[in-house]
Amino acid sequence: GAVVSQHPSWVICKSGTSVKIECRSLDFQATTMFWYRQFPKQSLMLMATSNEGSKATYEQGVEKDKFLINHASLTLSTLTVTSAHPEDSSFYICSALWTDKSYEQYFGPGTRLTVT
Amino acid sequence: LAKTTQPISMDSYEGQEVNITCSHNNIATNDYITWYQQFPSQGPRFIIQGYKTKVTNEVASLFIPADRKSSTLSLPRVSLSDTAVYYCLVGLYGANNLFFGTGTRLTVIP
Repeated sequence: GAVVSQHPSWVICKSGTSVKIECRSLDFQATTMFWYRQFPKQSLMLMATSNEGSKATYEQGVEKDKFLINHASLTLSTLTVTSAHPEDSSFYICSALWTDKSYEQYFGPGTRLTVT
Repeated sequence: LAKTTQPISMDSYEGQEVNITCSHNNIATNDYITWYQQFPSQGPRFIIQGYKTKVTNEVASLFIPADRKSSTLSLPRVSLSDTAVYYCLVGLYGANNLFFGTGTRLTVIP
C-alpha cells in the first residue's frame, strides 16, 4: 500500500509556456500533500503544502502566482508551473500524508522538468 | 525549527555494517525521527521511524539515545544497491518534519 504516482515522469517545454504536474495517492486518501523541488546534487526543498479543499500554503520565497497548486480531491494534487523559464528546470517531487499513519509521508517518483 | 546535521558522505565495502549518525540538538518533546533513502532521479523512500530507544525493521535499525539529541541509522551488511543518499528528518507533520538537510551520500564499494 501507500503508493504515490506522478505524471508526467519527465517533460520538456519551451520558455513562456505552462506545465501541469499531477500527483496522485493511488491506494489511500490524502488530505495533505506536499510539493518539493530538487536541483542536481542538492537536497529536497519544500515549496508548498497542498490541502484538499483549501488554498495551498507556500514556503517563503516561492511565488504562488508562478507555481499554482490545486488539491481538488482526496487523491489528486496538481502543480502548474506558469510562464516557465530555464531556471525552473528541476526535479519536482510530491508526497502525500497518509492520515491513518500520522507521521509518515509517501513520496512520488518525481517529475523532471526541462525548460528550453 | 529542528535542524539536523549529518556527514556529507561515507564509503563502505560490501557486506559491512554501516552506521550513519544524525545530530538534532534542538529536537522537541513531540518530535519523531524519520530516515529516508533516495536514489538518483527518484523520490525518497521511507526507511524507518522512531521516537526513543531502538527500532528495527526488515531493512534497518534506528538507535536513539536517552537524550534524543542524535540518532544512528544502522544498515546491516550493505550491498551495492544500498548506494544512495540517506536523509534524517525530525519533527511532526505540520511543524518541521518536512525540511530535508544535506543528507549523507553513501557509496558502497565492491
